[in-house]
Amino acid sequence: SQQGEEDPQALSIQEGENATMNCSYKTSINNLQWYRQNSGRGLVHLILIRSNEREKHSGRLRVTLDTSKKSSSLLITASRAADTASYFCATRTYSGNTPLVFGKGTRLSVIA
Amino acid sequence: DAGVTQSPTHLIKTRGQQVTLRCSPKSGHDTVSWYQQALGQGPQFIFQYYEEEERQRGNFPDRFSGHQFPNYSSELNVNALLLGDSALYLCASSLIGSTYSNQPQHFGDGTRLSIL
Repeated sequence: SQQGEEDPQALSIQEGENATMNCSYKTSINNLQWYRQNSGRGLVHLILIRSNEREKHSGRLRVTLDTSKKSSSLLITASRAADTASYFCATRTYSGNTPLVFGKGTRLSVIA
Repeated sequence: DAGVTQSPTHLIKTRGQQVTLRCSPKSGHDTVSWYQQALGQGPQFIFQYYEEEERQRGNFPDRFSGHQFPNYSSELNVNALLLGDSALYLCASSLIGSTYSNQPQHFGDGTRLSIL
């Protein structure tokens, strides 16, 4: 079963604009991760935020986590056509090597 | 540094047949997890292998089985294929243990399985 729900399901923006994707989850987590998937390819890890962190940055990416609301957001600033992909949040519920539980993803299209 | 490799990249089978998919983990990783991703959906966890044993399993029937070899590579076997088994099958590798729980999993590009 899916743990997370991304919102929106699809997002279309112009190059240079910012893109924001949201993720909600159901149970307590150890960490939350965001992955990118280009069409038909494997998943590429973008950023991981631990349950005791509230915000994290990596290049043009900014992730926030609100454990009280069981939600996270991914912000991509100054988007590029190459950012066109599907983005998934995934949660790990316990410490140790428990499996990742993915949401259904947000399809981002960046128009040049 | 070789990443996760999967073979074959594409496969077409008919209902009732059996299939074997293969995965070589990233160098230095000891744990392999398999995921099924239906079209338009997020990946769903099938099972995880460590030390040649199945350690955790998702909500998949016994038709799905696996194996891990001493060199940490892994196979996913699916028997009595159904139309609903058509999906992208992803392999991910990582290191076991709570020390590594805050490390990402590394994914291969997957095997696209089509059932006719």
